[in-house]
Amino acid sequence: AQSVTQLDSQVPVFEEAPVELRCNYSSSVSVYLFWYVQYPNQGLQLLLKYLSGSTLVKGINGFEAEFNKSQTSFHLRKPSVHISDTAEYFCAVSDRGSTLGRLYFGRGTQLTVWP
Amino acid sequence: EAQVTQNPRYLITVTGKKLTVTCSQNMNHEYMSWYRQDPGLGLRQIYYSMNVEVTDKGDVPEGYKVSRKEKRNFPLILESPSPNQTSLYFCASSSSGSKTDTQYFGPGTRLTVL
Repeated sequence: AQSVTQLDSQVPVFEEAPVELRCNYSSSVSVYLFWYVQYPNQGLQLLLKYLSGSTLVKGINGFEAEFNKSQTSFHLRKPSVHISDTAEYFCAVSDRGSTLGRLYFGRGTQLTVWP
Repeated sequence: EAQVTQNPRYLITVTGKKLTVTCSQNMNHEYMSWYRQDPGLGLRQIYYSMNVEVTDKGDVPEGYKVSRKEKRNFPLILESPSPNQTSLYFCASSSSGSKTDTQYFGPGTRLTVL
């Protein structure tokens, strides 16, 4: 089974500052990578995903993530955050070697944006 | 509007009283699954279903049952709830269960077992 590590449980930042949310995964086999966001009192929604091709993936709301195979990382970035970005962010991985469409989630990173 | 719905959204119950949380999707998705979310643990998969009458265990299936008699519905059943099942539950669906699919999540059901 995959293991997904989100290195920071909480990230506080001021509005308009850049932010990076870190994600590492365990497997050396090929994987598909996802970032989901959960706004307060809502379900999760997809921010972006990496399937193949360019290692820099752009998602909704100005977020982007970079796949680094050698470091088994998929860090999420935004150059300038807004208060509305306050939410919990989950990194998830599916294993190309698995026969099942399973998603393995990290423990989440709470991003809090202060005015 | 394409969506995944769950009912109820909030439920307080007592130990041992059977309950069912319903999940329905209107996107004709084949794959559906249930997760529980606990603080500091992220989301863990309870059960999933690849299609009608095809279900299998996820990572934390103990104490739960599911059924998939219709494509759109995937209820989660707790036959004898216990306090350690107090959690936030999410139903999700995707088109085919492919490893590249986006999963669509319901709004969540917050369950408290006293």
